[in-house]
Amino acid sequence: DGGITQSPKYLFRKEGQNVTLSCEQNLNHDAMYWYRQDPGQGLRLIYYSQIVNDFQKGDIAEGYSVSREKKESFPLTVTSAQKNPTAFYLCASRTTAGAYNEQFFGPGTRLTVL
Amino acid sequence: DQQVKQNSPSLSVQEGRISILNCDYTNSMFDYFLWYKKYPAEGPTFLISISSIKDKNEDGRFTVFLNKSAKHLSLHIVPSQPGDSAVYFCAASDGAGKSTFGDGTTLTVKP
Repeated sequence: DGGITQSPKYLFRKEGQNVTLSCEQNLNHDAMYWYRQDPGQGLRLIYYSQIVNDFQKGDIAEGYSVSREKKESFPLTVTSAQKNPTAFYLCASRTTAGAYNEQFFGPGTRLTVL
Repeated sequence: DQQVKQNSPSLSVQEGRISILNCDYTNSMFDYFLWYKKYPAEGPTFLISISSIKDKNEDGRFTVFLNKSAKHLSLHIVPSQPGDSAVYFCAASDGAGKSTFGDGTTLTVKP
């Protein structure tokens, strides 16, 4: 079955620790995205990548880092520099050959920093 | 400044009636507008979209209308069903495929 997987679903970390969220897709999509959702708010773009070994900052990149070494994988590291890391994190992918520009989302990871 | 706005945080309708969800945008460079449906603790799923060169797109019970002069789009669901109860996000996409999302509208369809 094709899709996007994010692991783990729930993650707890102590303040000051870096943490890496996993995102893998087997849809053969070129573009991948990371969003953050806070309660009552929409999705805010953290980083995105249109192609392997290249990525761009989104609207709220401070305190986050990414890598795109393989087409299938786009891990997000939440560093200790991120002031309010507790949130619901969503990964998405998109084919650049699609007709509608729609993104396919993973199930999300809820990160709680204690 | 928020480029995509959904001014109604919630909407409640009776089963069988029409649901109308609204969205406003500010950037004339957006070329696609999309609607996503989201359940709690899950990722959004794509529902329907419209290109900026069209004014209407229909898919079953879902129709999206685009008014470019007013920078406004709406999603109509007819007839509404209890299974439609979810959060609906409006998104606008630029030429690079980067999407900007609204804050969402929670739709509740009462049996």
